[in-house]
Amino acid sequence: DAKTTQPTSMDCAEGRAANLPCNHSTISGNEYVYWYRQIHSQGPQYIIHGLKNNETNEMASLIITEDRKSSTLILPHATLRDTAVYYCIVRSRSNDYKLSFGAGTTVTVRA
Amino acid sequence: DTEVTQTPKHLVMGMTNKKSLKCEQHMGHRAMYWYKQKAKKPPELMFVYSYEKLSINESVPSRFSPECPNSSLLNLHLHALQPEDSALYLCASSHLGLAGATSSYNEQFFGPGTRLTVL
Repeated sequence: DAKTTQPTSMDCAEGRAANLPCNHSTISGNEYVYWYRQIHSQGPQYIIHGLKNNETNEMASLIITEDRKSSTLILPHATLRDTAVYYCIVRSRSNDYKLSFGAGTTVTVRA
Repeated sequence: DTEVTQTPKHLVMGMTNKKSLKCEQHMGHRAMYWYKQKAKKPPELMFVYSYEKLSINESVPSRFSPECPNSSLLNLHLHALQPEDSALYLCASSHLGLAGATSSYNEQFFGPGTRLTVL
């Protein structure tokens, strides 16, 4: 599976949108971009995933560039409860089992 | 019920002890996973069970012995651990099989973890 690069940390103001970037320049055609987050002292939680089209669910939006080499996770109205480590993971459809977590981005939402 | 439960929440054991971690889910998932997470590091996959059979062992030392007695339960038996094995042990479960491109059908649900300390 392709590797990902994320900023180590970022701050966000409560109520504002949080835009989390992820680079995956070696992504291949059958690989999806997944996002999970891990709130302190909890297990990781699935957020969203996509292949090439932008995706939105009740938690977030995922914007994937046309060349698929990078993506952005958008939390539209960040709350204090969104403070967590966010992991961007690239995963192939043929590899249903493995989630290979990188270092992730520590997001701190401030009041 | 979309919950994965893990017991105990905390465990302290000596290097000569034998202990077990337990994980349970009632979502009908046929894949179950053990991950290990050291402090300030991302989770690392240890084992995968599919249809109650071990399908992936990520070169984990034999002092960790997984067991899947039925489709809802996953155990991790611990014996002769070392202090460096102290970590958060996470269990997860998911459906199996490929799904549509935008389906979250195969997402992994994680439990809260067992925090293990080896003295």
